[in-house]
Amino acid sequence: GQNIDQPTEMTATEGAIVQINCTYQTSGFNGLFWYQQHAGEAPTFLSYNVLDGLEEKGRFSSFLSRSKGYSYLLLKELQMKDSASYLCAVKDTDKLIFGTGTRLQVFP
Amino acid sequence: GAGVSQSPSNKVTEKGKDVELRCDPISGHTALYWYRQSLGQGLEFLIYFQGNSAPDKSGLPSDRFSAERTGGSVSTLTIQRTQQEDSAVYLCASMWQVGVWDTQYFGPGTRLTVL
Repeated sequence: GQNIDQPTEMTATEGAIVQINCTYQTSGFNGLFWYQQHAGEAPTFLSYNVLDGLEEKGRFSSFLSRSKGYSYLLLKELQMKDSASYLCAVKDTDKLIFGTGTRLQVFP
Repeated sequence: GAGVSQSPSNKVTEKGKDVELRCDPISGHTALYWYRQSLGQGLEFLIYFQGNSAPDKSGLPSDRFSAERTGGSVSTLTIQRTQQEDSAVYLCASMWQVGVWDTQYFGPGTRLTVL
């Protein structure tokens, strides 16, 4: 079956670093996406990993280990505007299979 | 506009009524997806269109749900005889083409409330 697991909620302090983990078990794998979704808004693309390793993009980095079925999203220098849900999604052939998302709250 | 648009933004209906939700993808995008997101949940895949190929309907929860895509562009998701459990945000996404690397661009969604 298809299974993607993320923590339901996380909290962090402004200026800190937070790591959001995602583990997956899917029948196919053509890459892993991270999306950010603010309350009441559509998801927006953050990152994409298809090969093992770390992809860095500004304050956000994403890591993938295909052998372990594991990814994480690393957010540095947290800002209040980073309070949102973060969705991990695996591309299985032509479709994206989403996790339930991690709701991150950033406190001053 | 350059993004994916959906209409209506909000729809309130009575149980048993039919509803139609519309999605206008980004011009030139060949792939179009429909998802459902219930309160506090992740995105649930419903249906996927790619070019002129037969749609992948594997995510539709029941035969009350159907979708079509006319002219390879606009798509309509129809829910017949709505039930209260159909209440959710329905999101549409489009993608230029299905390949190893491409991202889906999401519309703002339609919030459906079935009373």
